[in-house]
Amino acid sequence: SAVISQKPSRDICQRGTSLTIQCQVDSQVTMMFWYRQQPGQSLTLIATANQGSEATYESGFVIDKFPISRPNLTFSTLTVSNMSPEDSSIYLCSVEEPTGGIGEQYFGPGTRLTVT
Amino acid sequence: RKEVEQDPGPFNVPEGATVAFNCTYSNSASQSFFWYRQDCRKEPKLLMSVYSSGNEDGRFTAQLNRASQYISLLIRDSKLSDSATYLCVARTRRGGADGLTFGKGTHLIIQP
Repeated sequence: SAVISQKPSRDICQRGTSLTIQCQVDSQVTMMFWYRQQPGQSLTLIATANQGSEATYESGFVIDKFPISRPNLTFSTLTVSNMSPEDSSIYLCSVEEPTGGIGEQYFGPGTRLTVT
Repeated sequence: RKEVEQDPGPFNVPEGATVAFNCTYSNSASQSFFWYRQDCRKEPKLLMSVYSSGNEDGRFTAQLNRASQYISLLIRDSKLSDSATYLCVARTRRGGADGLTFGKGTHLIIQP
């Protein structure tokens, strides 16, 4: 499977600021996704990021709060804007590999964000 | 009703025993299903894709029942290293993309 890295691995930020998280893949992939995992919770899909088109956001997530870039087939960024303590979470990117047509997703190591 | 539901556990199981988890999903349009394993403070790792006919990978067996909308995972001869949270996942098309919907996970503790 693809090797996925994220930067930063963790950060502590002040409320009102913004943080941009980078996701790098070692191979070209069409589909990339951004998820959030809040403390004690499971993963929630934020948006789908495809190269050459606008990101598609899930209900409850908006572009102004979570702008996403996908400049090429190996890279994406997620920005968490105007942060509040409620944004403290782990943010994970994933890529989809069309294994046998079933489309398996593999995750990066995550970015642990704490907002004070 | 949550889209994917699991018993959160924890399941405390002696080493060597067999343990089974069930998971139900509400969206009949869900196309594919997976079991992921997540260790503490780590990202989820794909354990198995779940095929319609059921599939086996070593000590792990996954089954899908579309009529009843549930998925199961069976672990035989459990090892201490199997201790983790097991996430049941459904893949459903939303607009033009297929996002994953995760259950909250079942916590498994294998005891020596």
